[in-house]
Parts: sequence; C-alpha cells; structure tokens
Amino acid sequence: DQQVKQNSPSLSVQEGRISILNCDYTNSMFDYFLWYKKYPAEGPTFLISISSIKDKNEDGRFTVFLNKSAKHLSLHIVPSQPGDSAVYFCAASASQGAQKLVFGQGTRLTINP
Amino acid sequence: GAGVSQSPSNKVTEKGKDVELRCDPISGHTALYWYRQRLGQGLEFLIYFQGNSAPDKSGLPSDRFSAERTGESVSTLTIQRTQQEDSAVYLCASSLVSDRVYTQYFGPGTRLTVL
Repeated sequence: DQQVKQNSPSLSVQEGRISILNCDYTNSMFDYFLWYKKYPAEGPTFLISISSIKDKNEDGRFTVFLNKSAKHLSLHIVPSQPGDSAVYFCAASASQGAQKLVFGQGTRLTINP
Repeated sequence: GAGVSQSPSNKVTEKGKDVELRCDPISGHTALYWYRQRLGQGLEFLIYFQGNSAPDKSGLPSDRFSAERTGESVSTLTIQRTQQEDSAVYLCASSLVSDRVYTQYFGPGTRLTVL
C-alpha cells in the first residue's frame, strides 16, 4: 500500500523555467510533509517542509503548496538551475507515532541548459 | 560539526552471510532512524530509536534484521543470513527532537550487494 505517491518518475525542464514536482498521499493522519533532494551516492538532503496548518511555505527559489482536501502537495522551483538536477523525494509523517517518514518513489529532475 | 556518517560505504557479501552496518549520528541528536532504498524505489522505514524509549521496529522486514543503539550515539544494523532481496542502499538519519520539527538528516548510506 503506497501511502505517498510520486507519479512522475522523471521530469525535464529548461534552465530558468519553473519546475513543478507533484506528490499525492492517502493517509489523512499525515500532518507534516517534507521534500528531500538526493544526488547520486549521497544521502537525501532536506529541502523544505510544510505543516498541515499551512497551505504554502516558501524558501528562496523553493515553494511547497499543500492541498489537504485533495491530499496533494507540490514543490515549485523557480527559476530552475542546472544544480537542481537530482532526485526529489516527497515524505510525510503523522504527529501520532514515531515520526517515521513515509517516502514517495522519487522524481528525477533534469534541468537542461 | 560533522554530519551523519555511515560505514562501510559499500559492502558485497555472499548469500547466507551476516553483515553489520554502522551509523554515527549527529552529536546531540536523540532520534535515529534506519531506512533502506531498493533500486528504483523510495525510502522504506526500518527502525527508529528515541532516547531510552523502546525502539519502533515496525518496519523491519523479517527477524533476520536487528538493530542496536548505544545510548544516544552509534547504531548498528545487523542482517543475518543475507538474501539477494536484501540488496539495497541502507540509509541512517538522525534528528533533534524539539517541538514539532523532526527534520531528519541523512548519512550517505551503505550500498549492500548480496551475491
């Protein structure tokens, strides 16, 4: 049972344009969401997070949007840069329990010069 | 301040052998997690340690998997009688449990290959 889904395994975007990565979840108990970025041979790096009490959180070029009714979140990167090329994982946790993260399968983002 | 470190970075073993993976969390982080990532998959939770509480072992896939943590420092993940399906990258993460922010910081992982 995949509780967190990233339906696009890959995405290609031109440098300078907006990258939009999507994530859907099924568990209504999830109330905290994170995006991680992963380069090859490295561990995931925390990027940005959002609590369920908000619908938007912004940090520089990165913005995460949360639509609780649709159980959907998205990560916007603008403008996209070549260094943004990586695999992006969406993760979710519930305040009840051990704070373990449930991850999506990841989306490989490629920024083309 | 060093990040989370893991050793070895790569491990190749034969089916049926036991392996031990090590994680050194960020100093002062009270929570420690183990995940694994199979090829083409997302990260899969294995086990969680928080202070002196009993660990949450709900993600361990079989009784061949076990983990220990010494106080609030190093942790070892042991896989007994390895199988080919155990081949994966094993990732360790730690976090500072405060308020509602449980941001987890990951190590580089150990790539395990079972022949």
